[in-house]
Amino acid sequence: QVQLVQSGAEVKKPGASVKVSCKASGYTFTGYYMHWVRQAPGQGLEWMGRINPNSGGTNYAHRFQGRVTMTRDTSINTAYMEVTRLRSDDTAVYYCARDLGGDDAFEIWGQGTMVNVFS
Amino acid sequence: EVVMTQSPATLSVSPGERATLSCRASQNVNSNLAWYQQKPGQSPRLLIYGASTRATGIPARFSGSGSGTEFTLTISSLQSEDFAVYYCQHYDNWPPWTFGQGTKVEIK
Repeated sequence: QVQLVQSGAEVKKPGASVKVSCKASGYTFTGYYMHWVRQAPGQGLEWMGRINPNSGGTNYAHRFQGRVTMTRDTSINTAYMEVTRLRSDDTAVYYCARDLGGDDAFEIWGQGTMVNVFS
Repeated sequence: EVVMTQSPATLSVSPGERATLSCRASQNVNSNLAWYQQKPGQSPRLLIYGASTRATGIPARFSGSGSGTEFTLTISSLQSEDFAVYYCQHYDNWPPWTFGQGTKVEIK
């Protein structure tokens, strides 16, 4: 079945970096955009950006440009999202989500990766 | 950036009753609007896309309507499993895609 499996929880200090992975299965990885969405504790959903797994092209939300990098490895059907210069307000659950294809609603979601940033 | 505003923040409804949730966009997003359901500790689930098309496996009691800047999600007869937080999201034209702040549907 179609699924996205993310890497495990992380604990980081301010100023460090974190890289979250998202392994896709059950569909053609290069056929659909992969998006990243985060959710701070008790808060709503925030779109961070997307990657075209076929071309590697990316689009980032303005507030994350320069601090977030999305990449992919098509040989293992895995997308990655790295956040640098972590701050305490980056503490959140980070989700990868695959769109519908031709429609940017997010049909398939990963289980989420909790990233805790504290000193 | 398009701002999505949902109302109300909390909706108290009795099981079996109808729930109507609203979402307003700060500018025209055509029909490029999705609704998601999220339960505590779970990932969001896509309910509606294209403003009115139910996603695969979504019960018929969920319906979406609207276009342009005003959208509605209706749950015709609330079941116990429907108590959750609901988010709208636009995906019109070009990123960034933005979400509303959510409506919590709670048991009255």
